[in-house]
Amino acid sequence: KQEVTQIPAALSVPEGENLVLNCSFTDSAIYNLQWFRQDPGKGLTSLLLIQSSQREQTSGRLNASLDKSSGRSTLYIAASQPGDSATYLCAVRGGGSGGSNYKLTFGKGTLLTVNP
Amino acid sequence: SAVISQKPSRDICQRGTSLTIQCQVDSQVTMMFWYRQQPGQSLTLIATANQGSEATYESGFVIDKFPISRPNLTFSTLTVSNMSPEDSSIYLCSARLGAGGSYEQYFGPGTRLTVT
Repeated sequence: KQEVTQIPAALSVPEGENLVLNCSFTDSAIYNLQWFRQDPGKGLTSLLLIQSSQREQTSGRLNASLDKSSGRSTLYIAASQPGDSATYLCAVRGGGSGGSNYKLTFGKGTLLTVNP
Repeated sequence: SAVISQKPSRDICQRGTSLTIQCQVDSQVTMMFWYRQQPGQSLTLIATANQGSEATYESGFVIDKFPISRPNLTFSTLTVSNMSPEDSSIYLCSARLGAGGSYEQYFGPGTRLTVT
C-alpha cells in the first residue's frame, strides 16, 4: 500500500523567506506526482505535475523536485508572500500493491502561514 | 486544464435524509472521482466513475450509502444516503485529463456538508 508523508505538518515564516516543503512516499513505482494548494474550506488547485521521468518542474516562484528512487519530492517556494498561506498537499499516482495509474494517494498536507 | 463546478457549495442536512451533489466538467473526461475530506484530514477516495459503467468503490465505501451516476462524459452525481453526523465532510469531485504518465487531476471547489 502506497503511503505519503509530508513534513512539516505546519510551518510559519515571515514574508520574503524562501521555504521548502517535503513529501516522501513508500513505493517508488509511481507514474507521476502532483502538488496541490488548498485554501480553507475550498477545493484543490493543481500547482505542479512531475512525471516519473522528470526531476523537476517550475512555475513562477514554485519549483518542485522529484527523486523517485529515494521516494522524495520537495516544493520550494521563493520569496514567500502572505497570499501563499494555505495547505499544500502532495499526491502520487501509482505505487503500492495493485497500484494503478488512476489512483492518487495524498499526504496529510503542510499548513503554511506567511506572516506580513 | 479543466474547470469543475459543484452544486451545492454547502448544505446543512438532518440525520436520516439524503443529499445529491452535482459535478460538471467543462470538457469531456473518461474518469471522474469522488473524494471525501473529513475535518482536519487529507482526501480519501470514495469511488471512481467511468461513463457507461458502474462506479468502482474503495474499501469502506458502498454503493447503497454513496450511489453515483455518470450519465455522460461531463457530468456526475454523488448521493450521500441516510446521513448521520459522521458524514459531515467536504465532498470533492475530480477529473483526470491527459494521457499516460502525464495524467493530471483537477478538483472542484467542494461541497461542505454538515449533518445535524
